[in-house]
Amino acid sequence: KAGVTQTPRYLIKTRGQQVTLSCSPISGHRSVSWYQQTPGQGLQFLFEYFSETQRNKGNFPGRFSGRQFSNSRSEMNVSTLELGDSALYLCASSPESYEQYFGPGTRLTVT
Amino acid sequence: AQTVTQSQPEMSVQEAETVTLSCTYDTSESDYYLFWYKQPPSRQMILVIRQEAYKQQNATENRFSVNFQKAAKSFSLKISDSQLGDAAMYFCAYRSAIMGGKLIFGQGTELSVKP
Repeated sequence: KAGVTQTPRYLIKTRGQQVTLSCSPISGHRSVSWYQQTPGQGLQFLFEYFSETQRNKGNFPGRFSGRQFSNSRSEMNVSTLELGDSALYLCASSPESYEQYFGPGTRLTVT
Repeated sequence: AQTVTQSQPEMSVQEAETVTLSCTYDTSESDYYLFWYKQPPSRQMILVIRQEAYKQQNATENRFSVNFQKAAKSFSLKISDSQLGDAAMYFCAYRSAIMGGKLIFGQGTELSVKP
């Protein structure tokens, strides 16, 4: 089976812009979770989608949003980018929200 | 709220030796899951081992094993016969059995392996 894929792998944006990151889960996995990884805050949970519904949400401002499509692919959107949003964004998929398998991440740099 | 603590920011081990990484967690729940993930320089998070809280038997995956002490809320990872490829950042993670797919991570332990 193919692993979790994330696109793009690298992204450079300017403050104030918005960005959309994409995640394709492992075939058959219905749960997709997103995490932000920074040197200062470590790994923090953003949100989880299961069967197109947001099931869990972390403590991030409303500028961070996501969605999941009927084929389980998920997108994450960040609006009005700030310098502090520079991070590695990791997507993970799970068959039933048990163990999670991670993608390679999207490295976002905000200038 | 649940928390996960890894008190060793860095560890070092000689190739072929054994090393133990520590992890403690805090929770009021009785049913949960614990994981160790490895993140090499490529940044790809790799699942190393998992433990269900309701199981008393410690999980083992080849050279990797855990020491799960539920009462003490401790979950350490033992790597036997360390290899150069084991060098990575290791994260301990907690997942509630009722709160869906949210993983709570520790701050990580950077493991270096000396030849």
